[in-house]
Amino acid sequence: KNQVEQSPQSLIILEGKNCTLQCNYTVSPFSNLRWYKQDTGRGPVSLTIMTFSENTKSNGRYTATLDADTKQSSLHITASQLSDSASYICVVSFGHIFGTGTRLKVLA
Amino acid sequence: SAVISQKPSRDICQRGTSLTIQCQVDSQVTMMFWYRQQPGQSLTLIATANQGSEATYESGFVIDKFPISRPNLTFSTLTVSNMSPEDSSIYLCSVEGAGRTDTQYFGPGTRLTVL
Repeated sequence: KNQVEQSPQSLIILEGKNCTLQCNYTVSPFSNLRWYKQDTGRGPVSLTIMTFSENTKSNGRYTATLDADTKQSSLHITASQLSDSASYICVVSFGHIFGTGTRLKVLA
Repeated sequence: SAVISQKPSRDICQRGTSLTIQCQVDSQVTMMFWYRQQPGQSLTLIATANQGSEATYESGFVIDKFPISRPNLTFSTLTVSNMSPEDSSIYLCSVEGAGRTDTQYFGPGTRLTVL
């Protein structure tokens, strides 16, 4: 069964700290893996896209990694800001399989 | 990039009625996608809508319940028919850029509450 699992389910960190979100998938075949940020009440916004051959991709303070052998990805957020408070969703795009998301809360 | 608008942004409807959600894109796109996001959950793909052909529905979703129109390359509608409280969700439309490495753009969503 095609699945995308994310951990942790929720996370609270202090402003300025780093954090890493995890994504494990069993989707096959694989097209690409995307990380999205979804603010409450808004549609998701793309952060990174990685194809099978890429193992890291950065977008400002966001860095995604991909290990296609172990079918794992991570999203690392550096120097967190209050505006990073959102849900972060991992998506394996062949078939649009969405993970359940990690809800991040950044506190001042 | 693509800018997507949806109407209505939210609605409260009575059981048994139907609601049509509109999605407008500021550029021509081949494929448009409709998703449902139930409270506290992630997105689930309902169907893919290509201009000039029947929409392709995912497992668990049927045309009688969620009829879709795609009259041109910038517009689509999703109707939620014979609604029940279980249909209370956020409905989002989405488009993809050309090529498999392009991003996916989402509309702001339509928040539907069925009483």
